Amino acid sequence: ETGVTQTPRHLVMGMTNKKSLKCEQHLGHNAMYWYKQSAKKPLELMFVYNFKEQTENNSVPSRFSPECPNSSHLFLHLHTLQPEDSALYLCASSRKSQGSSYNEQFFGPGTRLTVL
Amino acid sequence: QKEVEQDPGPLSVPEGAIVSLNCTYSNSAFQYFMWYRQYSRKGPELLMYTYSSGNKEDGRFTAQVDKSSKYISLFIRDSQPSDSATYLCAMSDGSNYQLIWGAGTKLIIKP
Repeated sequence: ETGVTQTPRHLVMGMTNKKSLKCEQHLGHNAMYWYKQSAKKPLELMFVYNFKEQTENNSVPSRFSPECPNSSHLFLHLHTLQPEDSALYLCASSRKSQGSSYNEQFFGPGTRLTVL
Repeated sequence: QKEVEQDPGPLSVPEGAIVSLNCTYSNSAFQYFMWYRQYSRKGPELLMYTYSSGNKEDGRFTAQVDKSSKYISLFIRDSQPSDSATYLCAMSDGSNYQLIWGAGTKLIIKP
């Protein structure tokens, strides 16, 4: 596997279910990100991890719980979601998350989440 | 007012046409300007990256930044059906990791 992989690619869950999204990067990067992408809206940054430490939580509801066990893996644990949480969830990685220059972010294919 | 404005389209043009995609922004501190391309059922991938003002060309693609007008453009020459995708602009002031994104423009190139 190369680049950034995400599983599952599609997920349908009820509002009372608990599920997890998985992301793995094979690029040797130190920073990993979760984004939410909704139709005709800008990407919403949810969480940032830098060297396994969470450095950003953009006022995300507690029903979304991230986990970063190492620099290569990132999880998003989901519970008691709402229908408006239905969206494409994208994982990305970059060499670093801070600094005075731009670091290209590499994205996975996303998990299409539908909450019934 | 959104920090970055981008018309979501869709924009439909015939094959071979010149395509112009645009974003406007409000934050004069932005210095790094990116265009990402996202094919259906894929994640975004970096297409063009420009620092500060000016033009940058890569094959059939040209990125332009006009900081005085707070306006960036992506031109595609000799457009191909394979260029059909959503094009997202993104910007950064370079102080941290955060990218500020446009909503993306869906482009359709008709054979």
